[in-house]
Amino acid sequence: AQSVTQPDIHITVSEGASLELRCNYSYGATPYLFWYVQSPGQGLQLLLKYFSGDTLVQGIKGFEAEFKRSQSSFNLRKPSVHWSDAAEYFCAVGAASGGSYIPTFGRGTSLIVHP
Amino acid sequence: KAGVTQTPRYLIKTRGQQVTLSCSPISGHRSVSWYQQTPGQGLQFLFEYFSETQRNKGNFPGRFSGRQFSNSRSEMNVSTLELGDSALYLCASSSGLGDEQYFGPGTRLTVT
Repeated sequence: AQSVTQPDIHITVSEGASLELRCNYSYGATPYLFWYVQSPGQGLQLLLKYFSGDTLVQGIKGFEAEFKRSQSSFNLRKPSVHWSDAAEYFCAVGAASGGSYIPTFGRGTSLIVHP
Repeated sequence: KAGVTQTPRYLIKTRGQQVTLSCSPISGHRSVSWYQQTPGQGLQFLFEYFSETQRNKGNFPGRFSGRQFSNSRSEMNVSTLELGDSALYLCASSSGLGDEQYFGPGTRLTVT
């Protein structure tokens, strides 16, 4: 069965600083990988996804992530954080099933942005 | 396009009761998935419906059930509510072709 580990429960950065959120996954085949963001009281919004091809993926809001098969990682990065980026971030791996995929989510990383 | 809508947004029920939550997907989307989010267990997949058929199911007891109608709207039902069922229930829709999922704002269920 697939699993996702987000080692950092909380991360605090200053506005304007760079950001990297870590994600490690376990899955036997080529994974579908996702990063989602959740603001308080809201549903999840997809930031970016990796299905195949270029291992550096560009997403919305200036985020990018790099798939490293050798390290089973899919870390999320942003060069300059804005105060509005404060939220909960979830990494997910999707296992193909029945023409779709079933995502398994990490426990999330809470991003705190200091002015 | 309107996004995924979920009703009601908030709900308070008593142990032993049952509850029905509703989800209206984005127009044209045929796949609807349900998730439970709790502080203790995180985000967990409940089930997925595609063209009125349950296509995938997570590891939840039979008290949790769902269905999908011909217009792709979906409902999930939880019978004999337990305190541990208190959670944010999220619905997501997609085209059903392995495409990305779009999430609704969720229904916050509190069981007392």
